[in-house]
Amino acid sequence: SAVISQKPSRDICQRGTSLTIQCQVDSQVTMMFWYRQQPGQSLTLIATANQGSEATYESGFVIDKFPISRPNLTFSTLTVSNMSPEDSSIYLCSAIQGAVYGYTFGSGTRLTVV
Amino acid sequence: TQLLEQSPQFLSIQEGENLTVYCNSSSVFSSLQWYRQEPGEGPVLLVTVVTGGEVKKLKRLTFQFGDARKDSSLHITAAQPGDTGLYLCAGKNGANSKLTFGKGITLSVRP
Repeated sequence: SAVISQKPSRDICQRGTSLTIQCQVDSQVTMMFWYRQQPGQSLTLIATANQGSEATYESGFVIDKFPISRPNLTFSTLTVSNMSPEDSSIYLCSAIQGAVYGYTFGSGTRLTVV
Repeated sequence: TQLLEQSPQFLSIQEGENLTVYCNSSSVFSSLQWYRQEPGEGPVLLVTVVTGGEVKKLKRLTFQFGDARKDSSLHITAAQPGDTGLYLCAGKNGANSKLTFGKGITLSVRP
C-alpha cells in the first residue's frame, strides 16, 4: 500500500494566521482526502482533493476556510485559514489506490491555535 | 446519513483476557473496515470485510461482518499491551462512496 508523508507533524499558531499542511504519497493514488480528528475521537471528512480541479467539500466546510490544492496524483495541501482556537485539532491526509477498499493515512498534523 | 455506533466506548482489561467490541448501524454497507490508531499516528487498516457473514482472522484478532452487512464485531483473544489503541470501524456503500467512521473504541490493556 501507499506510504504517506505529512508535514508538519505539529505546530502552534497564533489566531488569525494561516497554516498549510503538505501531504506527499510515494505512488500515484486515485483519491486523496483530508480529515479532522479531535484527540481520541472519530474522523470527520473535510473534503476530497481532486487532481487538477476544485476540491469537493463536506457540509460545514468551505473553500475560503480550508483551501485545498492537488496539482498531481501524489501531492496535496490543506490550508487552515484565519485560524481560531476552535481550529485546534489533528488534521489527517488519506489516500486510496484503485480498487483497494482500505485507506492509507498520514501520521497527522497536530495543530494548536493560541 | 449513515451512522456507525461503536461499543463500548472505553475498555480497560488485564493482559491475557479476551474481549469483543461492536460496530452497529441501521444502514447496509458494501464493505466495512477496522482500523487501529495509536497516539500520534494515523489510523492503520486492519481488515476489510465485504460479504455478509464473513469472518476474517488476523493472528489473535477475529473480525465478523453481520449477515445483513449492517454490523461487525472484533474479538481479541489473549489481549496484550501492544493491542492498546483506538479501534475505528468505517463503512462504505459503493466503490466511490465516502468512508463513514464510527466514534471509536479506546482499548487499554494493562500488563
